[in-house]
Amino acid sequence: NAGVTQTPKFQVLKTGQSMTLQCAQDMNHEYMSWYRQDPGMGLRLIHYSVGAGITDQGEVPNGYNVSRSTTEDFPLRLLSAAPSQTSVYFCASSYSRHNTEAFFGQGTRLTVV
Amino acid sequence: DQQVKQNSPSLSVQEGRISILNCDYTNSMFDYFLWYKKYPAEGPTFLISISSIKDKNEDGRFTVFLNKSAKHLSLHIVPSQPGDSAVYFCAASETGGADGLTFGKGTHLIIQP
Repeated sequence: NAGVTQTPKFQVLKTGQSMTLQCAQDMNHEYMSWYRQDPGMGLRLIHYSVGAGITDQGEVPNGYNVSRSTTEDFPLRLLSAAPSQTSVYFCASSYSRHNTEAFFGQGTRLTVV
Repeated sequence: DQQVKQNSPSLSVQEGRISILNCDYTNSMFDYFLWYKKYPAEGPTFLISISSIKDKNEDGRFTVFLNKSAKHLSLHIVPSQPGDSAVYFCAASETGGADGLTFGKGTHLIIQP
């Protein structure tokens, strides 16, 4: 049972480059979300989705885009990477928005130089 | 302004003793509280939760206490084991929903043999 899978695990980008962080879950969960974790900080919500075709902004959405074309996948796009986006990114899913037992992926460590 | 505060960045406890991790919150609308555990290079994993209608919830060695009047919750681990060494995040929600989660900065628990 794979759970929540994030790829890649590590990535180095140059300022201005774009990339997509992939997230897939095989638990048929409705709710998916993206967080970033910075040193000495808690997890901060970037974007979330309550189902296929529905997305919304979290606490720190600027510089990121998301889409949810299928229940399983929730990619996070950085259109023009900035050093301030250097962080560890976690994708999470839960059965519904009302079930707070979220399952997290292993994270993607992104460095923007 | 931080709505969920974990004021101890780290805590060292001897194996077999009790570990007490504290969390304070400022938002009186929070009605659901959770603890997540995180090992290095892994995503957070759900540990235990408590609803605002309760003041205690127990699961094996883990007990969470909630004091609503003081806006304070604590996680007790008894007895502490080496595998408990990890970063513990306190999180809170206004809606009981995964999209409302606000995380603290985390406490690094170190269990000493």
